[in-house]
Amino acid sequence: GAVVSQHPSRVICKSGTSVKIECRSLDFQATTMFWYRQFPKQSLMLMATSNEGSKATYEQGVEKDKFLINHASLTLSTLTVTSAHPEDSSFYICSARRGGQPQHFGDGTRLSIL
Amino acid sequence: SQELEQSPQSLIVQEGKNLTINCTSSKTLYGLYWYKQKYGEGLIFLMMLQKGGEEKSHEKITAKLDEKKQQSSLHITASQPSHAGIYLCGADLTGNQFYFGTGTSLTVIP
Repeated sequence: GAVVSQHPSRVICKSGTSVKIECRSLDFQATTMFWYRQFPKQSLMLMATSNEGSKATYEQGVEKDKFLINHASLTLSTLTVTSAHPEDSSFYICSARRGGQPQHFGDGTRLSIL
Repeated sequence: SQELEQSPQSLIVQEGKNLTINCTSSKTLYGLYWYKQKYGEGLIFLMMLQKGGEEKSHEKITAKLDEKKQQSSLHITASQPSHAGIYLCGADLTGNQFYFGTGTSLTVIP
């Protein structure tokens, strides 16, 4: 079946560092990719919706200058957390889909900012 | 904001007991998904429901979508410790954006 690869699965870095997370659809062309964030004991919150070749649509309350999303090709979207701080520590997960087809999720990235 | 409300928020049951988790939306759901997860790990797809009145089962888990397609329930029969985790409903609410419900944390006591 369709597979979405998310990398890295775990990252620990110092405060002030920028961190890039990649999301790749391995065997299909993803017209839309989604980025979610999850804090402990909470659900997954949609951060932004990314369509290939166009600017991402951010949910209310998500800083677009803080969380840079690039969807340069039909198989790759990246989320860059710029100047990360401890409060950005969270679990980030991406998903991808083609047209109106069901989504396929990556395995997530655990980000820890020291 | 989350437009899919789940209840209860958390649930602690004795092994062997049945339980039900609900997912409610103020909008018509065009495709309702159920997932299981543990924090910091990927999602496990359980079931997808599309038609009003639809019901699907897999092993000891049954999911239903009501006729109005605004509420879904997930029922676990004879719960086991392996059922423990976070259960999430999810749906395409706006045509292009997929949202998750508020989540239900399930603990099964052996």
